[in-house]
Amino acid sequence: DIQMTQSPSSLSASVGDRVTITCRASQSISSYLNWYQQKPGKAPKLLIYAASSLQSGVPSRFSGSGSGTDFTLTISSLQPEDFATYYCQQSYSTPSTFGQGTRLEIK
Amino acid sequence: QVQLVQSGAEVKKPGSSVKVSCKASGGTFSSYAISWVRQAPGQGLEWMGGIIPIFGTANYAQKFQGRVTITADKSTSTAYMELSSLRSEDTAVYYCARANTMIVEKNWFDPWGQGTLVTVSS
Repeated sequence: DIQMTQSPSSLSASVGDRVTITCRASQSISSYLNWYQQKPGKAPKLLIYAASSLQSGVPSRFSGSGSGTDFTLTISSLQPEDFATYYCQQSYSTPSTFGQGTRLEIK
Repeated sequence: QVQLVQSGAEVKKPGSSVKVSCKASGGTFSSYAISWVRQAPGQGLEWMGGIIPIFGTANYAQKFQGRVTITADKSTSTAYMELSSLRSEDTAVYYCARANTMIVEKNWFDPWGQGTLVTVSS
């Protein structure tokens, strides 16, 4: 199975900050990397697909980059509604696997 | 705009089985793969398997092979996930999610169902 490792596991930041979360795959996954946001008690929500494509309706402050094994999710200017947990997911091969999550908290 | 609506919470005894449903409305069902993902309390996301409704072919994570069965009923636009030989570690929220393609890999998941809490307790 392909292992996905996110860093950091948790992060404290303030409204307006620029935040970057990284995700590393244990082998090359081309650009088959997706990012999800999850708030407590809710289902995950797709933010970025195919490493860098912004899902319809997602604010442009979210962006993704990378290919091969190293990927990043960047939030350019944190808003109060962005405090949540973020997961990366590889869909290059089955079983699809997720990173362990990055919990983004208010400083 | 497709929506996925899942069945309600379940409480099960160890050793029993549970079957969770996921009904699609407002869009095409058969032409997109449906995956099942679970999340134990306070933990991350774990892919269990997926199905291509138009073909009825399912693909399972090795961890759940032999214990999970994923099926789909095209006539009612409903997918099902049945997990057997339940143990306490299976206590989790179970989500269904629709892929953007007809294949179980090289895709992304959107939308997701609202989740179904399955509690395994004696």
